[in-house]
Amino acid sequence: DAKTTQPTSMDCAEGRAANLPCNHSTISGNEYVYWYRQIHSQGPQYIIHGLKNNETNEMASLIITEDRKSSTLILPHATLRDTAVYYCIAIESGANSKLTFGKGITLSVRP
Amino acid sequence: KAGVTQTPRYLIKTRGQQVTLSCSPISGHRSVSWYQQTPGQGLQFLFEYFSETQRNKGNFPGRFSGRQFSNSRSEMNVSTLELGDSALYLCASSLGVGRNIQYFGAGTRLSVL
Repeated sequence: DAKTTQPTSMDCAEGRAANLPCNHSTISGNEYVYWYRQIHSQGPQYIIHGLKNNETNEMASLIITEDRKSSTLILPHATLRDTAVYYCIAIESGANSKLTFGKGITLSVRP
Repeated sequence: KAGVTQTPRYLIKTRGQQVTLSCSPISGHRSVSWYQQTPGQGLQFLFEYFSETQRNKGNFPGRFSGRQFSNSRSEMNVSTLELGDSALYLCASSLGVGRNIQYFGAGTRLSVL
């Protein structure tokens, strides 16, 4: 599975968009990009995933560059409850795949 | 639909003892994965069970074991506990083996004294 690189931390103001970057320059053609988050003292929560096209769901949007070497998770209107560690994972689908969590990026949403 | 349930939430043991943690997956989910989370090593994959068989295994010593029952509920066991086994143990369920959309429980916080 491709290694991903994320900044250690970032912050944003409540109500503003939070744009969380992720680098995965060695991603292969059949690896998806998954995003999870972990709010303090809880288990990780799946947010969104994509292969090539941009994706949107009720939680967030995922923008993947055309060369697929990086992506951005967008929380359109961040709230205090979005303060969490966000993990970007590049992984193939398949019976032998297993999620490998790095250190993630700590997002702090300020009032 | 009920989420993933892990019991107990907190546990205190002493070195050398053994411990069993329990996980009830979301109804209809047949795969259960276990993870260990520590401040130093982060979230690490332990193993995955599907249809009562271990399908994937992480890089942990044999003291860590698990099993899955016919109703998909799973247990993990750690024998001969060491201080370094103090961690948050997380269970996740998914529809099938190798599925990357997983639903996590709140975890069991194990402290080894």
